[in-house]
Parts: sequence; C-alpha cells; structure tokens
Amino acid sequence: DAGVIQSPRHEVTEMGQEVTLRCKPISGHDYLFWYRQTMMRGLELLIYFNNNVPIDDSGMPEDRFSAKMPNASFSTLKIQPSEPRDSAVYFCASVRGSSYNEQFFGPGTRLTVL
Amino acid sequence: AQSVTQLGSHVSVSEGALVLLRCNYSSSVPPYLFWYVQYPNQGLQLLLKYTSAATLVKGINGFEAEFKKSETSFHLTKPSAHMSDAAEYFCAFKEGSGGYNKLIFGAGTRLAVHP
Repeated sequence: DAGVIQSPRHEVTEMGQEVTLRCKPISGHDYLFWYRQTMMRGLELLIYFNNNVPIDDSGMPEDRFSAKMPNASFSTLKIQPSEPRDSAVYFCASVRGSSYNEQFFGPGTRLTVL
Repeated sequence: AQSVTQLGSHVSVSEGALVLLRCNYSSSVPPYLFWYVQYPNQGLQLLLKYTSAATLVKGINGFEAEFKKSETSFHLTKPSAHMSDAAEYFCAFKEGSGGYNKLIFGAGTRLAVHP
C-alpha cells in the first residue's frame, strides 16, 4: 500500500494568497483527519471526516480555513487568504474506523506564508 | 475531561542507557492508548498500542509500554537507547467505548541520544 499521500510536500506563498493542500487516504479507510503542527501549539486536530462527511470541525481556527472531501480517495484543506501565522506543517491521517485501529499519517505539507 | 500528559518535553540519554518516556491519561472510561514516533521531517508512525488485551505491549524497534490502570499511566521504555532513536514521541489516547472517537495527543517528548 502506498500509504497516505499528501501534496505538495512544501509550499511557500505570500500573505493573502490562497493555499490548497491535498490528501489521498489509504484505500478502504473511512475516516480522514487534518492536523496542524507548530512549535508553539504542538499537534492540533483541525477537522475530521467519516465516509466523506465532516464530523467535527471545531478545531478549524477561523473562516479562512475550509476542508472538503468530495470522494473517498481525496480531500483538500484550503486557506484563503493565508497569513504568516498559518505557517506550520499540516498532516493528513486516515484510519479504518474500528475503535482500536491506529491512524496512519501522511508525510505532511510544510507551509510557509511570507 | 479527557486528557493526556507527557512529563518532560525533552529527555536526553546516553547511547546504551535506558529510555523512559512518561505518559499519564485522564478518562472515566476504558482507554485505548498509542505511542507514535516522529522522525525529523516525517509524519507520525505507530510504535505500539494498547487495546485492553495484554497490559505489557511490545512495539517496533525494541520499545515497549505497560498499561497501569491504578496509576493511569502508559510509560514507554527501551532497555538500551540507540542513536537512531532520537526523535519526538507522542502518547495518544482514545476512549475505548462506543464508535470511533478522535485521538487526543500529548504535547510530545523530544528524545536526544548522545554518544
């Protein structure tokens, strides 16, 4: 299995620009999670989906952030407009939704907003 | 409230020494517990997990952890540290009842191994 795939691996953009991060979960996994990792705040859960439906978006910092999962094999996290404080590593993870199963993480996207 | 506490944000050991990374959880229901490792510039990968079977859990790379209900702990150990163990380690907790629940992560412990 290819594992969770994220693109791009690195993104550098200027403040005010739109940023789109992409994730392909492991085939057969029915839960997908978006996390953000920073030195100051550690690992934060932003949003997660079950069977393509958003279940909990309480971690999304503000309206500038949005996430979609149009099908079982693809999800996007969009920031519009981006700000320097959005600079972080964004991880996608997926799991086959049995209670004791572990989440599998992608390699992350390192976002730098100048 | 559910929470996970990792004692010590940084731990430093000598190569060959015992590694002990501490994790305590708070929950009113039986937990599922996980240890993840993150190497530089990589995603998190599972080291081991406790799912209410054996209380002593063995994982990859010689790591193991023991679930102690009375102490609400799930400390990670390795008898002899290797340079390649240098990484950040995360303890995570999930309620073991009901349907799938999100993971609650600790703040992480960065392990340094020196010669």
